[in-house]
Amino acid sequence: GAVVSQHPSRVICKSGTSVKIECRSLDFQATTMFWYRQFPKKSLMLMATSNEGSKATYEQGVEKDKFLINHASLTLSTLTVTSAHPEDSSFYICSVGQLYEQYFGPGTRLTVT
Amino acid sequence: SQQGEEDPQALSIQEGENATMNCSYKTSINNLQWYRQNSGRGLVHLILIRSNEREKHSGRLRVTLDTSKKSSSLLITASRAADTASYFCATDGGEGLIFGTGTRLQVFP
Repeated sequence: GAVVSQHPSRVICKSGTSVKIECRSLDFQATTMFWYRQFPKKSLMLMATSNEGSKATYEQGVEKDKFLINHASLTLSTLTVTSAHPEDSSFYICSVGQLYEQYFGPGTRLTVT
Repeated sequence: SQQGEEDPQALSIQEGENATMNCSYKTSINNLQWYRQNSGRGLVHLILIRSNEREKHSGRLRVTLDTSKKSSSLLITASRAADTASYFCATDGGEGLIFGTGTRLQVFP
């Protein structure tokens, strides 16, 4: 299966700053990547579908101006949390795949103080 | 990283039959979650079972959890063609979800 990495694995930032999270597909050309967030002990929530070379598709209730997604190449998608607030503290995970295959990154733990 | 091992990797059944998928994991958990993924779409949450629970039902879904064996099973009863999807288990040990490798279920009409 594909190997998916995320960077950073953990990040602590101050309120008001922006944080960029990278999702890399190391051996799989991903035209589509998914971004999820998970609150502690809760289920995963799909945030957006990242499409290579075009705009991301956001789920209802997810602010596109706050969670900027860029999918500039077949191996890299980035999620930027802009003007972060403590309520943005969460576990963010990406996945890549096609059809019925999905490969998950290890996740990024974001803490906003 | 994917700590969960799911079996079988692929399963083909006829409509009306039951489908059972298993998930094993390695570390201690707070809860275990099952998701489905339709072709090319994002994950859909199915059911969450806490570490102190042994069995949970939701419609045609039945999930069991055996923490002593570090394993869980998902049973779909009276399957339908629309159940055709990939199914993933994910464990939550407090540091975020870790996903299994998934079971590809195909239900023939």
